[in-house]
Amino acid sequence: AQSVTQLDSQVPVFEEAPVELRCNYSSSVSVYLFWYVQYPNQGLQLLLKYLSGSTLVKGINGFEAEFNKSQTSFHLRKPSVHISDTAEYFCAVITPSPYDTVIFGPGTSLSVIP
Amino acid sequence: EAQVTQNPRYLITVTGKKLTVTCSQNMNHEYMSWYRQDPGLGLRQIYYSMNVEVTDKGDVPEGYKVSRKEKRNFPLILESPSPNQTSLYFCASRLSRAARSNTGELFFGEGSRLTVL
Repeated sequence: AQSVTQLDSQVPVFEEAPVELRCNYSSSVSVYLFWYVQYPNQGLQLLLKYLSGSTLVKGINGFEAEFNKSQTSFHLRKPSVHISDTAEYFCAVITPSPYDTVIFGPGTSLSVIP
Repeated sequence: EAQVTQNPRYLITVTGKKLTVTCSQNMNHEYMSWYRQDPGLGLRQIYYSMNVEVTDKGDVPEGYKVSRKEKRNFPLILESPSPNQTSLYFCASRLSRAARSNTGELFFGEGSRLTVL
């Protein structure tokens, strides 16, 4: 069975500091990997995705993530966070199995401190 | 504008009173799905639909029903709501896996916050 782990449920960070949100997954087949962001009182929107090719993926709002197949990880990073980055972040995997199964991690709440 | 629209956005109801949360998408997506979001549990899939008249259970289907009579609509029905169904609900859609331009990205509605007293 596939699973997604986000090791940190809450991450406080000062404004303009770097941040890394961790995501690990388990799957016996190839997967697509996603990071979604949920701002307060809103739905989820796509930050970035890894389908194939370069393992370093750049997304919106200055975020990037690196796929590491050997460590089954897809950590999200930003070199300098802004107050507006305060949100809930979800890692997700899709496994093509006869139907695509989308599995979300439990989420990481990022709080940017002024 | 491409979007997924849910209604109502907020609802307070009482145990046992049937309710329906509507979901509509204007992107001609084949796949639609319902999730519930609870603190510490992330998003859990309730039901999904691969296309019109094709629905299947997700991880937490108990107490819910769905229907897919039209491609654009995927309502979630709570026949007899109970307090443990108090949650934030999201509808999402995407292209079918067979679609050439499908990247697996889900498009979400803004959520429906349901409270069952």
